Amino acid sequence: SQQGEEDPQALSIQEGENATMNCSYKTSINNLQWYRQNSGRGLVHLILIRSNEREKHSGRLRVTLDTSKKSSSLLITASRAADTASYFCATDHSGNTPLVFGKGTRLSVIA
Amino acid sequence: GAVVSQHPSRVICKSGTSVKIECRSLDFQATTMFWYRQFPKQSLMLMATSNEGSKATYEQGVEKDKFLINHASLTLSTLTVTSAHPEDSSFYICSAPDSGRGTDTQYFGPGTRLTVL
Repeated sequence: SQQGEEDPQALSIQEGENATMNCSYKTSINNLQWYRQNSGRGLVHLILIRSNEREKHSGRLRVTLDTSKKSSSLLITASRAADTASYFCATDHSGNTPLVFGKGTRLSVIA
Repeated sequence: GAVVSQHPSRVICKSGTSVKIECRSLDFQATTMFWYRQFPKQSLMLMATSNEGSKATYEQGVEKDKFLINHASLTLSTLTVTSAHPEDSSFYICSAPDSGRGTDTQYFGPGTRLTVL
């Protein structure tokens, strides 16, 4: 079953703006990961943040994790039209357990 | 990085036929693989865990006799959708953790889009 919610469900912004997506989960986790999925395609791994980490950066991506609130956020700065995709958070209890995905946010970046 | 492949990438079949989907870890051994299903505009839902050398474990609501899983070797798991019906049309994705690397990253296959007519 899906563990959590993501909000917003859909987000439409202008190119150059920042996009923030949030994810909440229900149980304790080992890691939280963010993935991107272009329409009809497979998943692209973006970033992994461990439960003992609070913030992580990768290029234009910034991920935060608040385990006390059981929530995470993904910030994409200076968005581009190519960032248009669905973004999912996923949590696990250990490296060998399946991932539990959020419902996802559909991001549209308008050029 | 580790690579997981799936075959076929796309399949169209008639209602009542069976379809086999392969998931291979190309440069690492995977004692465990996971099968997910994604309906249009929805998220990924875990269907089953494939275990090399033992029976697969299925999530609640997933019929094990309809979705046959065989983990034939340390690099191959197959999912067979038996007597497929239009409601089985979906995007099927497998993943495998590479425990040998000591990381927590799971590697996803590119997915198989099944359309049942």
